[in-house]
Amino acid sequence: NAGVMQNPRHLVRRRGQEARLRCSPMKGHSHVYWYRQLPEEGLKFMVYLQKENIIDESGMPKERFSAEFPKEGPSILRIQQVVRGDSAAYFCASSLQGGHQPQHFGDGTRLSIL
Amino acid sequence: DQQVKQNSPSLSVQEGRISILNCDYTNSMFDYFLWYKKYPAEGPTFLISISSIKDKNEDGRFTVFLNKSAKHLSLHIVPSQPGDSAVYFCAASLAGGGADGLTFGKGTHLIIQP
Repeated sequence: NAGVMQNPRHLVRRRGQEARLRCSPMKGHSHVYWYRQLPEEGLKFMVYLQKENIIDESGMPKERFSAEFPKEGPSILRIQQVVRGDSAAYFCASSLQGGHQPQHFGDGTRLSIL
Repeated sequence: DQQVKQNSPSLSVQEGRISILNCDYTNSMFDYFLWYKKYPAEGPTFLISISSIKDKNEDGRFTVFLNKSAKHLSLHIVPSQPGDSAVYFCAASLAGGGADGLTFGKGTHLIIQP
């Protein structure tokens, strides 16, 4: 399967814990995007990364959220000290290039905060 | 402030007929538009896109029309098939300059009736 791989598919955390969500882009893709979807809502852009660089983080909450895309390995979305409002589906997408290119999505990580 | 609007939460169409899904946008700087299809518990699947320099793009049963003056686009599916039952998201991008994050509508749930 050469698609975008996200893991885990489901993640349960208690308030105050840390959540780490991983995303491996499609083979050959070096552009990664993270989105969040709340129930009955569309996807909301969070952050756009290329290898080792954050290009656009205009959709990221100012505190507790961070993202990285290291030279080797998957992209990581990290949420520290999780709160109930962080419960959502988090989707990762990748593209071959930036600009006018379709973004291809993984199946998401469903984060539940107890 | 929703910049991409899909005003019909759901649409029911008979199998074999044409399905028309609509999308309006407010930001005149958007210059690239995409349609995605989403099944429950899966990520969005890219269907078709259109650049603002065109007014129509066709791919098999799927055609997207763009009316820039009205800031409106639509997705036509003909003939509609049972497997087309899904949630359809319209998305738009500013593209270029690193601002490649997609802005999504809230989706339209298409139901194809036998």
